[in-house]
Amino acid sequence: KQEVTQIPAALSVPEGENLVLNCSFTDSAIYNLQWFRQDPGKGLTSLLLIQSSQREQTSGRLNASLDKSSGRSTLYIAASQPGDSATYLCAPWRRDDKIIFGKGTRLHILP
Amino acid sequence: DTAVSQTPKYLVTQMGNDKSIKCEQNLGHDTMYWYKQDSKKFLKIMFSYNNKELIINETVPNRFSPKSPDKAHLNLHINSLELGDSAVYFCASSLRSGAQETQYFGPGTRLLVL
Repeated sequence: KQEVTQIPAALSVPEGENLVLNCSFTDSAIYNLQWFRQDPGKGLTSLLLIQSSQREQTSGRLNASLDKSSGRSTLYIAASQPGDSATYLCAPWRRDDKIIFGKGTRLHILP
Repeated sequence: DTAVSQTPKYLVTQMGNDKSIKCEQNLGHDTMYWYKQDSKKFLKIMFSYNNKELIINETVPNRFSPKSPDKAHLNLHINSLELGDSAVYFCASSLRSGAQETQYFGPGTRLLVL
């Protein structure tokens, strides 16, 4: 059974800092992994999708890495901004096409 | 333009009632999903439909019955509501089924069962 853990559960950093969010999963036989952002009271927004054959994906100030063998993924946010404040969810896809979500990291960027 | 929309946004009801949540997507996607996010913010997939056919059915009580009248709609009907059904329900869609597809989420329906 796939279990997804995200550390830290909450994080507050001053604006402008670079930061790393961590995700670990117990079953390395995943198809790919997706990072989402959830704003308070809103739905999920997909940020990055890393295919199982890839090791990282980049979009703007975001960079996500995937190490399937160790069951880890990280989301790197460069030059953080107050608008980055949200909950970030890591979600590995199982090979039966089911997606499992972590509980997320609540990020607060201090102006 | 709203890509994935859900109605209602909020739903407060008594235990034992039957209620429905509607979802519509205007993205032309083939696949739609229902997720449940509990009070601890844990998000779990419930159902997935591809071209109106059920393809994923997680261990969800029979009181939950999804219905897809067409590709653009996936409604969720819940019978005999229980306190534990209180949660936020998210609808999502993707172009096709499968792990390689990006999912687009609706804003959620906040259900409170009293």
